[in-house]
Amino acid sequence: QVQLQESGPGLVKPSQTLSLTCTVSGGSISSDIYYWNWIRRSAGKGLEWIGRIYTSGSTNYNPSLKSRVTISVDTSKNQFSLKLSSVTAADTALYYCARGVSGIMGTTAWFDPWGQGTLVTVSS
Amino acid sequence: QSVLTQPPSTSGTPGQRVTISCSGSSSNIGRTYVYWYQQLPGTAPKLLIYRNNQRPSGVPDRFSGSKSGTSASLAISGLRSEDEADYHCAAWDDSLSGPVFGGGTKLTVL
Repeated sequence: QVQLQESGPGLVKPSQTLSLTCTVSGGSISSDIYYWNWIRRSAGKGLEWIGRIYTSGSTNYNPSLKSRVTISVDTSKNQFSLKLSSVTAADTALYYCARGVSGIMGTTAWFDPWGQGTLVTVSS
Repeated sequence: QSVLTQPPSTSGTPGQRVTISCSGSSSNIGRTYVYWYQQLPGTAPKLLIYRNNQRPSGVPDRFSGSKSGTSASLAISGLRSEDEADYHCAAWDDSLSGPVFGGGTKLTVL
């Protein structure tokens, strides 16, 4: 079955750019019915959707993060990536990648499966 | 502050039935499907309920979901120690044009 795995630096300095990659295995990332998401969870808080990308390249971002987020896809490597710029301590969190199931107009909160998550700490 | 509202914690004893609420608005739960995720300690969230009340293959029928108006509930019957986890509700939000989550509910099995 499809599995997702996050990778990237665990420590990022304030004001720098956080970069993570999600590698999809056990299936092709290219699909009309799935899209690819980044979601995070800060300590003591709930889950927060960061954004998503279709393999066509179309993206949607959380309005609260939109000015700092870029999500891209590399279908040749079966990977998609997250860049979050100008990070602060508030961006310290467990970052998850997850496959999304597209419903009517892509308006669902259906995520399955998820990667195991990677902890990113923002600190000097 | 999460868009969807869940109680921070709840508890129950083995064999008991517990429910977890998720409150939203007309821009999210009131107009679209609700999803529930189980996050066991130290693991990633796992899809538990989709489209309000559907269980993925492998999820025991002890878990059930329901929705009424702008609120939803997750019920767990025959509580077991292995059900101790964080539970998150989620739904699409038309105002934000994206999915939103509740703050999560920590279930403790006493």
